[in-house]
Amino acid sequence: NAGVTQTPKFRVLKTGQSMTLLCAQDMNHEYMYWYRQDPGMGLRLIHYSVGEGTTAKGEVPDGYNVSRLKKQNFLLGLESAAPSQTSVYFCASSYSGLAGVLPDEQYFGPGTRLTVT
Amino acid sequence: SQQGEEDPQALSIQEGENATMNCSYKTSINNLQWYRQNSGRGLVHLILIRSNEREKHSGRLRVTLDTSKKSSSLLITASRAADTASYFCATAAGSGAGSYQLTFGKGTKLSVIP
Repeated sequence: NAGVTQTPKFRVLKTGQSMTLLCAQDMNHEYMYWYRQDPGMGLRLIHYSVGEGTTAKGEVPDGYNVSRLKKQNFLLGLESAAPSQTSVYFCASSYSGLAGVLPDEQYFGPGTRLTVT
Repeated sequence: SQQGEEDPQALSIQEGENATMNCSYKTSINNLQWYRQNSGRGLVHLILIRSNEREKHSGRLRVTLDTSKKSSSLLITASRAADTASYFCATAAGSGAGSYQLTFGKGTKLSVIP
């Protein structure tokens, strides 16, 4: 099992460019998440998905779009990158658990370090 | 907004000593989780404690939860150099699958000196 993988590991963009970050998990998890981590800020939730074809906004969704066309993949898009989006991006997934029970632990990918100049 | 706040922000101890980190939060939760992050890596889940539990153990880890004070503590006993990492508390709240979110604190950076 590879767990949660993220592509690419590093990327440098110029302001205004677009890109897509790919997250893949092989654990058959229903829930997937995208976070950003900035120095001194901890992790903040950007978007999440509770199943194939569904997405929802998190704490800091502006400037990002997501898609969950396949259960194992969760894509994060930046349509017009800005320097404020320089960050480390983490994808995570979790098992949905029993009906009526909230998900437990999240499994994280290794991260994508993005710099926008 | 950050739900959990860890204290202290940084902690430096000698190998073999115990390390205690605290987490305070603001609103009602379903469960509280602790994660570890080694430098340059993703987060790894350590332990979860539910709102109706007061204490939980896992190996050298001991977690307590006081819902009346909205606080939790993580104790690592007999620390090792390999425990050097940042530790984050995360609170889970929500009334159903559609509203579920995990909110992370800013973390405590632990350094264990050999």
